[in-house]
Amino acid sequence: DGGITQSPKYLFRKEGQNVTLSCEQNLNHDAMYWYRQDPGQGLRLIYYSQIVNDFQKGDIAEGYSVSREKKESFPLTVTSAQKNPTAFYLCASSSQRAGGFDEQFFGPGTRLTVL
Amino acid sequence: QKEVEQNSGPLSVPEGAIASLNCTYSDRVSQSFFWYRQYSGKSPELIMSIYSNGDKEDGRFTAQLNKASQYVSLLIRDSQPSDSATYLCAVKDSGYSTLTFGKGTMLLVSP
Repeated sequence: DGGITQSPKYLFRKEGQNVTLSCEQNLNHDAMYWYRQDPGQGLRLIYYSQIVNDFQKGDIAEGYSVSREKKESFPLTVTSAQKNPTAFYLCASSSQRAGGFDEQFFGPGTRLTVL
Repeated sequence: QKEVEQNSGPLSVPEGAIASLNCTYSDRVSQSFFWYRQYSGKSPELIMSIYSNGDKEDGRFTAQLNKASQYVSLLIRDSQPSDSATYLCAVKDSGYSTLTFGKGTMLLVSP
């Protein structure tokens, strides 16, 4: 059953703590993405990776870090430097094949709340 | 700065009517355009993609693209209450694999 999984579904963090959000895909997609969505807002790109061991900053990378050690996995760490981390975090992936359309598919999301 | 603009709504239509959702974009060389549906509290779901000028139909959904006017739209025929959701327009950034999203239009279909 192919798809994208994210865990946990809900996450609570105390101020000053780092937390890591998991994203796994079994679609054999090359590219993976992390977005943040705030109430009433569109999606804003945090980081993306087109290939293992390589990633690029998106529009709002400050206070976040990522790794891409395996094709299937793209974890996101929300560090204590992120001033307003409460948001809905979405992971996506796309195939990037030649002649393809780069359609992105999303996981179910992680809702992070800072206490 | 790439921009994708959508009317935030809500757009209210009666059941059975045609809902028309619009989106404009600033990157003149963009080639790929996507519509996502997002139910409250859920993640976005891809419903349509379009790459060429003109219309693309899939069931009750029709995407329309006019690159000269930098305009893309989504028509939903025979709207159902289950279509009530926020619809996000996304534009592929030229030269990159990334997308720029609009803030979404909320659609409400009343029985």
